[in-house]
Amino acid sequence: DAKTTQPPSMDCAEGRAANLPCNHSTISGNEYVYWYRQIHSQGPQYIIHGLKNNETNEMASLIITEDRKSSTLILPHATLRDTAVYYCIVRVFNFNKFYFGSGTKLNVKP
Amino acid sequence: DTEVTQTPKHLVMGMTNKKSLKCEQHMGHRAMYWYKQKAKKPPELMFVYSYEKLSINESVPSRFSPECPNSSLLNLHLHALQPEDSALYLCASRPGPFMNTEAFFGQGTRLTVV
Repeated sequence: DAKTTQPPSMDCAEGRAANLPCNHSTISGNEYVYWYRQIHSQGPQYIIHGLKNNETNEMASLIITEDRKSSTLILPHATLRDTAVYYCIVRVFNFNKFYFGSGTKLNVKP
Repeated sequence: DTEVTQTPKHLVMGMTNKKSLKCEQHMGHRAMYWYKQKAKKPPELMFVYSYEKLSINESVPSRFSPECPNSSLLNLHLHALQPEDSALYLCASRPGPFMNTEAFFGQGTRLTVV
């Protein structure tokens, strides 16, 4: 699986958009980008995933660059409950492995 | 039902004890995972079961013994653990190994080895 690089921490004001970057410069053509978050040692929660097109769901948007070497998770209106560690994961389509990177601790402040 | 249920939530065991962690899902998923997570670290993959057969063992010490008795249940048997094995143990499941889907995680078992 391609390795991911994320900043260790980020701050965001409540109500503003949170943009979390992930670098996956060694990604291959059949590797998907997944995003999870983990709130205070609970189980990781799925957010969104994509291959090469931008994706949006009720929680977030995922923007993948055209060369697929990086992506950004966007939380459009961050709330205090979005304070968590956000993990960017790259997974080969037909393999079972989910390897977590080091993650970004997002601190949403009032 | 989109839940992965792990029991117990907390476990304290001595280094000579034998205990088991249990994970259950009723979503018909055929891929199930065990992860270990130390404080302030990301989850580390331990084992993967695919269609009730062990498909991945990430060089985990033999004091951890996984078992998948049926498609809904995953166990992790623990024996002669060390204090450094204290961690949050997470179970996850996915519909299958060849599907582009997310993994669902349980809330974990907090294990303390004394």
